[in-house]
Order: sequence, then structure tokens, then C-alpha cells
Amino acid sequence: EAGVTQFPSHSVIEKGQTVTLRCDPISGHDNLYWYRRVMGKEIKFLLHFVKESKQDESGMPNNRFLAERTGGTYSTLKVQPAELEDSGVYFCASSQEKTGPSYEQYFGPGTRLTVT
Amino acid sequence: AQTVTQSQPEMSVQEAETVTLSCTYDTSENNYYLFWYKQPPSRQMILVIRQEAYKQQNATENRFSVNFQKAAKSFSLKISDSQLGDTAMYFCAFIQMNRDDKIIFGKGTRLHILP
Repeated sequence: EAGVTQFPSHSVIEKGQTVTLRCDPISGHDNLYWYRRVMGKEIKFLLHFVKESKQDESGMPNNRFLAERTGGTYSTLKVQPAELEDSGVYFCASSQEKTGPSYEQYFGPGTRLTVT
Repeated sequence: AQTVTQSQPEMSVQEAETVTLSCTYDTSENNYYLFWYKQPPSRQMILVIRQEAYKQQNATENRFSVNFQKAAKSFSLKISDSQLGDTAMYFCAFIQMNRDDKIIFGKGTRLHILP
């Protein structure tokens, strides 16, 4: 079974440009999460989809960030326009609908975003 | 505030030695899960071990075990007989049960296993 995949693995863009990150969750996982780790800091939650609906977007930094999950499959996270402080590693995770005391989220390898 | 503190940014140990990674956390909730995640260089982050807060018995997974002290809000990870493949960034984390789905992470400890 394929794990969570993310594309690209690394992106370097200039301040003011737009970047779109993609995440493909594990097949059949209704829950999809985005997290971000800024260098030297904690990994922080950005938002949570259940199928195509945003369940919780309390961690989104500002309105320059737009996440979508059309059809409840893959998700995209667009940053427009990018700022220097957006640099970091963006992780995607997915999980099955909670039916037991597992709460395990499966993480992708991350996309390293560098804004210059 | 819900926080996780990992006081050791970086550690190095010789292969075959035992190493303990420290973690403390803060939450006002009583029911939660604690995790240790491992991220090897340029690879996916994977779950190493999980502890349910309502269980007093410490979780163990092969060479990995935890020392869970609920009253002290401490959750350390012990790696026995360390191997070169254990070299990775280790993140301590928790999630509240029956509330939101967000995992709260610490800053991580970079562990180097030396040959």
C-alpha cells in the first residue's frame, strides 16, 4: 500500500511568487492534515479536512494560504504571494476515520519550501 | 496552553549504547495519547511508539520503551542497543482524545548514532 506522497519535495521561489504544494493521502483515508515546521521550531498544525470539507483551519497563518481538497482525494496548499517567513517544511498526513483508540496519522515526507 | 518541550536539541551516542530522550508536556486534559515520531534524514516521519494516558503500564516496542509519568507530565523515550539506523530527528507529541485532531509536537531532538 502506498504511503502519503507529497510533491514537490523541494521548492525554491522568490518572495511574491505563488507556489502550490500537493498531497496524496493513503487511499481510503478520509482525514487529511497539513502541518508546517519552520526551522528550529515545532511542527505546527495548519488544517484538517474530512473528505472535501474543512473540519478545522485554525492553524492557517493568514489569507495568503489556501487549501483545497476537491473530491475528497488529494489536497493542494497554495501560498500566494509567498513571504520569507513562509519558508519551512510542509507536512501532510492522513488517517482513517476514527473508529478506535488509534489516532494514528501517517505522514508524508514533506515539501521543503524556501522563499528567497 | 498545550505545549511539548524537548530539552535536548541534539545528542550523540555510540552504537549499541542506550540513550534516553526527554520530553515534558502541558495539557489540562485528562485523556490523551502521547507519541514519539522518528524522521530519518530525507525520509518519511514514522510513529515509533504510542502511549495512552489512561494506561499506567509503559509502552514498549522492541528496543524502544517509554517512561510515562503522568503526574509529572513527562514522557521520555529509551532506545536500547542503539543502531546506526536509529539516527534521526525524534519528535515527542500528543493528541487530545475526543476533541480536535491536531497533534501537538515538540521541537525535536536530533539523535546521532556513532559507529
